Amino acid sequence: KAGVTQTPRYLIKTRGQQVTLSCSPISGHRSVSWYQQTPGQGLQFLFEYFSETQRNKGNFPGRFSGRQFSNSRSEMNVSTLELGDSALYLCASSLGRASSTDTQYFGPGTRLTVL
Amino acid sequence: AQKVTQAQTEISVVEKEDVTLDCVYETRDTTYYLFWYKQPPSGELVFLIRRNSFDEQNEISGRYSWNFQKSTSSFNFTITASQVVDSAVYFCALSGKETSGSRLTFGEGTQLTVNP
Repeated sequence: KAGVTQTPRYLIKTRGQQVTLSCSPISGHRSVSWYQQTPGQGLQFLFEYFSETQRNKGNFPGRFSGRQFSNSRSEMNVSTLELGDSALYLCASSLGRASSTDTQYFGPGTRLTVL
Repeated sequence: AQKVTQAQTEISVVEKEDVTLDCVYETRDTTYYLFWYKQPPSGELVFLIRRNSFDEQNEISGRYSWNFQKSTSSFNFTITASQVVDSAVYFCALSGKETSGSRLTFGEGTQLTVNP
């Protein structure tokens, strides 16, 4: 079974631009979560989507948004990029049968650099 | 609030040594789940184990073993006879059913270097 895939793997943007990252979950998984990883803040939860609805949200500004499609694929968008948004963005998928009981499996991440 | 502490920032060992990575957690949830993930230089987080709060049995998988002690809020990870391929950053994570749903709270990670 194929794992979680994320595209693109690397991105370079400039301040003020916006970016869209994509995540395809493991087949049969209905929940997709996003995390940001930086050297200073570590791994932080952004949000989780289940059945096209945001089920959980972390403490990030409104510039960070996401959505999920009917096939469970998810995208996250960051508008008005700031230098501090440079990070590894990790997507994780799980079965989503019940909150917090399912193991999350991670993709390879998208490395975003903001210049 | 939930918190995971991995006090060891970096550990360096010589191949074939045993090494234990410490994890201490805080949660108010009565039902919670603990995880260990491995992050090699490629960046992908690789799932290693999940433990439920109501199951305190220790687990062994090959050279890996986990010691869950609810009384001390710890979930330590031991690698026996370490190998160079074990070099990676290891993260302990917590998910609490009542307060955080599926959200994972991660520790700071422990960089393990196994030297030949």
